[in-house]
Amino acid sequence: EAQVTQNPRYLITVTGKKLTVTCSQNMNHEYMSWYRQDPGLGLRQIYYSMNVEVTDKGDVPEGYKVSRKEKRNFPLILESPSPNQTSLYFCASRIGTGGLYEQYFGPGTRLTVT
Amino acid sequence: DQQVKQNSPSLSVQEGRISILNCDYTNSMFDYFLWYKKYPAEGPTFLISISSIKDKNEDGRFTVFLNKSAKHLSLHIVPSQPGDSAVYFCAASGYGGSQGNLIFGKGTKLSVKP
Repeated sequence: EAQVTQNPRYLITVTGKKLTVTCSQNMNHEYMSWYRQDPGLGLRQIYYSMNVEVTDKGDVPEGYKVSRKEKRNFPLILESPSPNQTSLYFCASRIGTGGLYEQYFGPGTRLTVT
Repeated sequence: DQQVKQNSPSLSVQEGRISILNCDYTNSMFDYFLWYKKYPAEGPTFLISISSIKDKNEDGRFTVFLNKSAKHLSLHIVPSQPGDSAVYFCAASGYGGSQGNLIFGKGTKLSVKP
């Protein structure tokens, strides 16, 4: 089954404790992206990757890091999480970089930073 | 500054009637427009899209209309069903590269009452 998986689905952590949210897709997609969803703000892009070893900042990259060492994986790293990073996070992928391609989303990771 | 705007946070419609969700954009360079549907505890799923060279695209009960001169698009759902109750996100993008990143609106929560 074609899908984007994220782990963990739920995470409660404390300020400053480094964490990684994993994302994996099995569709051989070139393009992958991370979003956060906050009440009243919709979906905002954090980082995106157009291919292996090619990553770039989205609209809200502060406090996040990403890497793309393999085509299928695109982990999101929070080196020193803060309470304002409490949010619902979605990983997404699509076959190409063009906007006409359908984007597939993972099920989401709900992160709480206390 | 918001490039994609969904000015109605919520919409309530009776089952069997038409639902009309609206979206406005400011960037005339957008080439593609997409609608995503999101149920609670799930990732957004692609619903329907339209290229800027068209003014209408239809898929079953869902039709998207694009008015480029007004920088406005709308999603029509006819007839509405209770299972359509979800948050609907409008998104826009350019052709490729960083322009291919999706810019999302804040979403409209649709409630279809039996």
